This record gives sequence, structure tokens and C-alpha cells, in this order.
Amino acid sequence: GAVVSQHPSRVICKSGTSVKIECRSLDFQATTMFWYRQFPKQSLMLMATSNEGSKATYEQGVEKDKFLINHASLTLSTLTVTSAHPEDSSFYICSAYTGARGIGDTQYFGPGTRLTVL
Amino acid sequence: GDSVTQMEGPVTLSEEAFLTINCTYTATGYPSLFWYVQYPGEGLQLLLKATKADDKGSNKGFEATYRKETTSFHLEKGSVQVSDSAVYFCALSEWETSGSRLTFGEGTQLTVNP
Repeated sequence: GAVVSQHPSRVICKSGTSVKIECRSLDFQATTMFWYRQFPKQSLMLMATSNEGSKATYEQGVEKDKFLINHASLTLSTLTVTSAHPEDSSFYICSAYTGARGIGDTQYFGPGTRLTVL
Repeated sequence: GDSVTQMEGPVTLSEEAFLTINCTYTATGYPSLFWYVQYPGEGLQLLLKATKADDKGSNKGFEATYRKETTSFHLEKGSVQVSDSAVYFCALSEWETSGSRLTFGEGTQLTVNP
């Protein structure tokens, strides 16, 4: 149980185009999903927190107009990188939170999406 | 604020060696503690977790005990395999202060040689 998928797993695009990444919780409902960015040999950097039916909360320094997040249902969140540039090339990982308020509830992670902007 | 400190890597071991990866944390309340593992080119997988003091999380031969007195959650395995080569992340969540957000350590790269 608690499987999270991401699509696509790898995408290459030209500078200036937009790219959409999907994150799905396959066997549970996720009230909250998170989007992370990871640079080589580094830890995960939280970009934004997405709650179903409401606007995403972005971390300081993350451009909300560039990284559009939509959490339309309890099993799907999307991240759209608008007008992508080479510096947006990175490994993007989503996670889905299984529980309501409580101790020990867990984030489950997707397999990641490798974005390369040429 | 909350923070997690992991031992610096990379760590290189021979197969069947004993593994310890140190993790200490700072938190204002009573966090839940996690170890995640990331294999090359993949996302993170939950390895084990503990939700209160003296709890021991275990999975696939790995163990970690929640030590409140030393604010630690060290990861151990008695006999590592080549397939354990990966990056290991220690993390905490503290609902009272940050909801469901995770605070990660920097990660420790483990390489196991045959």
C-alpha cells in the first residue's frame, strides 16, 4: 500500500516551453501533497505544500508564477514549470501525506521526474 | 526551529560489515523520526520510523531506536549487502510546530563493495 506515482519519469524540453508533472496517490487519498526539488548529491528542498481544493503554500524564494501547482483531487497534484530555462533542470519529487492530524503519519514519495531543459 | 544532523559521508564498507549512520535532531516538542532511502535515480522510500521515545523502528535488517535523552536516531545494520548501496536520509516531523512537513538531514551516501 501507499504507492505514489509520478509522470513523466524523464522529460527533455526546449527553453521557453512549459512542462507539466503529475503526482498521483494510487491506493490512498492524500489531503496534502508536497513538491521537492533535488540537486545532485544534495538533500531535498521543499518547494511547496499543496492541499486539496486550496491554493498551494510556497516556500520562501520559490516563484509561484513559475512553478504552478494544482491539487484538484485527493489523488492528483500537478506541478507545471512555466517558461522553463536550463537553470530549472533538476530532479523533482512529490510526496503524499497519508493522514489527518496525528502522530506518526507518514509522507510517501514518488519516484521522481528528471527535467532537462536545453 | 527543527533540524536534523547526519554523519557526513560518503561511507564505504565491505559486504557483511556492520553499519552505523549517526543522526541527531533538535526539536521543540515530540517529533516523529524517520529514515528514508534513495537508490540511484529514484525517489525516496520509507525505510523505518518511530513515533515516541524508546520506540525501535526496523525493516530489512535495519534498526533505529528513538533516544530522547540523547536526541538521536542512529541507523544500524548488522551485515550490509551490495544492494544496500544508496543514500540514506534521516528526517523528523513535528505536528505541533510544522504540521506534516518533514525536516531532512543532508543525506549519507553508502557504498558497499563486494
